[in-house]
Amino acid sequence: ETGVTQTPRHLVMGMTNKKSLKCEQHLGHNAMYWYKQSAKKPLELMFVYNFKEQTENNSVPSRFSPECPNSSHLFLHLHTLQPEDSALYLCASSQDPAPQETQYFGPGTRLLVL
Amino acid sequence: DQQVKQNSPSLSVQEGRISILNCDYTNSMFDYFLWYKKYPAEGPTFLISISSIKDKNEDGRFTVFLNKSAKHLSLHIVPSQPGDSAVYFCAARGSLNTGNQFYFGTGTSLTVIP
Repeated sequence: ETGVTQTPRHLVMGMTNKKSLKCEQHLGHNAMYWYKQSAKKPLELMFVYNFKEQTENNSVPSRFSPECPNSSHLFLHLHTLQPEDSALYLCASSQDPAPQETQYFGPGTRLLVL
Repeated sequence: DQQVKQNSPSLSVQEGRISILNCDYTNSMFDYFLWYKKYPAEGPTFLISISSIKDKNEDGRFTVFLNKSAKHLSLHIVPSQPGDSAVYFCAARGSLNTGNQFYFGTGTSLTVIP
């Protein structure tokens, strides 16, 4: 498989549930990102990892917990979410976090919190 | 406050004609700009970029123009094809003092009518 994959593609969860989103990139990149896209809002950067180390946390609530066990995999652990967290969650990767590096996006996980 | 704005949520163009998508930004420190294209149920894919040392970059049917004094960029697609129908996002980033992230617009949905 090539590119950036994300699972699951769709997720419905209650506010008391715990779930995880998974992202995998097969591009040999060193930087990985989580973005959130709410309806009618721009993509918002959540987290940046470079060589497995978190380099950016964009004031994200602690109910979102990222994990990057290696340069190819990125997880987003979810617990006690709120309905307003319902959104499209996109993972991306790039060779490194430099501005001129193109980010390659996965197809996203559509999350609905009830 | 949004630093990158796409004020037209949608645009319809006849096949063969020119499509012009616009994007405005507020942060004068931005020096690198990109356009992404997104089909339904897929992640955004990189289309074309421009750095602030240029005012035009061309790639086949796609040309991006940058007007730094007006803090405005535009994407021209000519001739437009039905396969160009997608949502187009512009994004901007600065090398210094703007954080390690791209700022995205809310997207413009382009429909090319056969």
